[in-house]
Order: sequence, then structure tokens, then C-alpha cells
Amino acid sequence: QQQVKQSPQSLIVQKGGIPIINCAYENTAFDYFPWYQQFPGKGPALLIAIRPDVSEKKEGRFTISFNKSAKQFSLHIMDSQPGDSATYFCAASGGNMLTFGGGTRLMVKP
Amino acid sequence: GAGVSQSPSNKVTEKGKDVELRCDPISGHTALYWYRQSLGQGLEFLIYFQGNSAPDKSGLPSDRFSAERTGGSVSTLTIQRTQQEDSAVYLCASSLLHDSNQPQHFGDGTRLSIL
Repeated sequence: QQQVKQSPQSLIVQKGGIPIINCAYENTAFDYFPWYQQFPGKGPALLIAIRPDVSEKKEGRFTISFNKSAKQFSLHIMDSQPGDSATYFCAASGGNMLTFGGGTRLMVKP
Repeated sequence: GAGVSQSPSNKVTEKGKDVELRCDPISGHTALYWYRQSLGQGLEFLIYFQGNSAPDKSGLPSDRFSAERTGGSVSTLTIQRTQQEDSAVYLCASSLLHDSNQPQHFGDGTRLSIL
């Protein structure tokens, strides 16, 4: 069964800290790894995505690190702000539907 | 430009009733997806449509669930004889093509509560 395992389930950091969220997958056919941010009452919004031919991608304060051999990828949020408090989902796709991780609820304290 | 629009935003109904949830994708997007998000959980794929091709129904949890997409645009997800375990947020997404090169854009969902 295709699975994407995400950890931690919840995370609390101080403003300016660097929360790190990790995901692991099993299906080697996956070739697209997006991260979504979801605020309460809203749908998930695409944050950043990576393909397995690169090991790192940075967009603003958000960075994805990708380890193809370990089948793991992670999201780092630099200089985190209270406005980053949300639920973050990793996902993976092999050309079909997205398979999502279970989500990480992030709280950034002022 | 309008995003993905879903209606109703909230639906409360009694167990055993049928419900219809609607999704208006972004104009020009040929791929449309339905997902279910249970409280505090990740998103579970239900079904997707790509143009005029037969839909991929592999994620539908039971035969009480069905979906259609008329004219390659609006989609309706129907749940018959609702059960309490159907309570969840139902999310619709669309993308330009059914291809992992194309990001999926989500609506804000329909929160369904079965009493």
C-alpha cells in the first residue's frame, strides 16, 4: 500500500526558530513531492514542491531537503513567524493522485 | 481569477439521508479530484476525473459514494444513505492537466456532519 509517513504530529517553536518536518515514503515510483499549508477552515495551499533529481529546493523562507536513497524528504521553515502557525502536509505522487502524510500542526509562539 | 469553489461550505444531515456536494473547478482545468479529510487526519483520495476519460474511482470507500462531472467542468459528489463515519471535510482540487507536473489547487471544502 502506498504510504507517506509524516512526523512529528505537532510542533511548537519560538518565533525565529527553524521547525523541521519530516516525511518518508515507500513507493519508488513517486516522482513529485509537494508540501501544502492549511489554515483552519481553509483548503490546503501548495507551498513548495520538489522532484527527486534535486536534493534541495528553496523558496523564500521554505526549504525542502530530499534524500532519494533514504526515501525521505523534509521541510525547513527559516525565521519562523507566528503567521506560519498552520497544519503542514507532505505528499507524494507518481503521476496519479496525491498520497498525503498525516499532517503536522505547527505553532510558532511570539 | 476565481479559485476552486465548493458548496455548501457546511452540511448537517441525519443518518440515512442522501447528500450532494458540489465543486466548481478553476476555469480551464481539465483534471478534478475529490479528497476526504477526517478530523485531525490527512487527506484521503476518493476519485479523479481527467477530461472525457473514465474516472478513477479507486479511492471511493463504498458503493454509497459516487461522483459525476458534467461537461468537463462542475462535479458533484453524492453520498447515499449517509452514515456517521461519513462525517468529514470533503475537499475538491483541480489542476491544469492530470500530471504530476501540474499542481493541484484546493477549494475550502464542505464540512459534512452526520447526526
